[in-house]
Amino acid sequence: GQNIDQPTEMTATEGAIVQINCTYQTSGFNGLFWYQQHAGEAPTFLSYNVLDGLEEKGRFSSFLSRSKGYSYLLLKELQMKDSASYLCAVRDPRNTDKLIFGTGTRLQVFP
Amino acid sequence: DAGVIQSPRHEVTEMGQEVTLRCKPISGHDYLFWYRQTMMRGLELLIYFNNNVPIDDSGMPEDRFSAKMPNASFSTLKIQPSEPRDSAVYFCASSLAPMFQGPNQPQHFGDGTRLSIL
Repeated sequence: GQNIDQPTEMTATEGAIVQINCTYQTSGFNGLFWYQQHAGEAPTFLSYNVLDGLEEKGRFSSFLSRSKGYSYLLLKELQMKDSASYLCAVRDPRNTDKLIFGTGTRLQVFP
Repeated sequence: DAGVIQSPRHEVTEMGQEVTLRCKPISGHDYLFWYRQTMMRGLELLIYFNNNVPIDDSGMPEDRFSAKMPNASFSTLKIQPSEPRDSAVYFCASSLAPMFQGPNQPQHFGDGTRLSIL
């Protein structure tokens, strides 16, 4: 089957750096997405990785290792507004129209 | 640019009633997806459309659920009759075609409908 694992919850302090991990077990690979979802709001697209390595976008970076089935989202200079759930999703290798989502990691940033 | 628009934002109704959720995708997007989100199961894909045609409804829980897309700018998800276990947040999302525009095309989500069945 297709499976995605993320930690359920994480906490961090304002100004710090946090790394949110995602591991996936799929029969193939066509790209991985990270989404941010604030409580009561829509998931919003953060990043996409299909090749190994690091993609940087301001305070947020996303890393991918296809051989290890592993990705992480790195958030630097944490702000209170970064408190949200972070969802990892991969393109379904059986049907690339579809995304398979992890259950998300809820991040709480404390002052 | 207007994003994906869903209505209503909140719906509270009694068990057995019919519920209709509405979605207007981003103009020009070929794909429309309906998801259900719960604490226990996360985001689950219910059904998706390509150019208004239902492609995969394998995630629809049972016959009480139905979805239509009569034109490129409107879709509905209907539950009849509703049950308490249907309580969840229902999201609609749209995207350009991954096959033609590239696999990096993200899905864009609406603000969701928070459904409570009493």
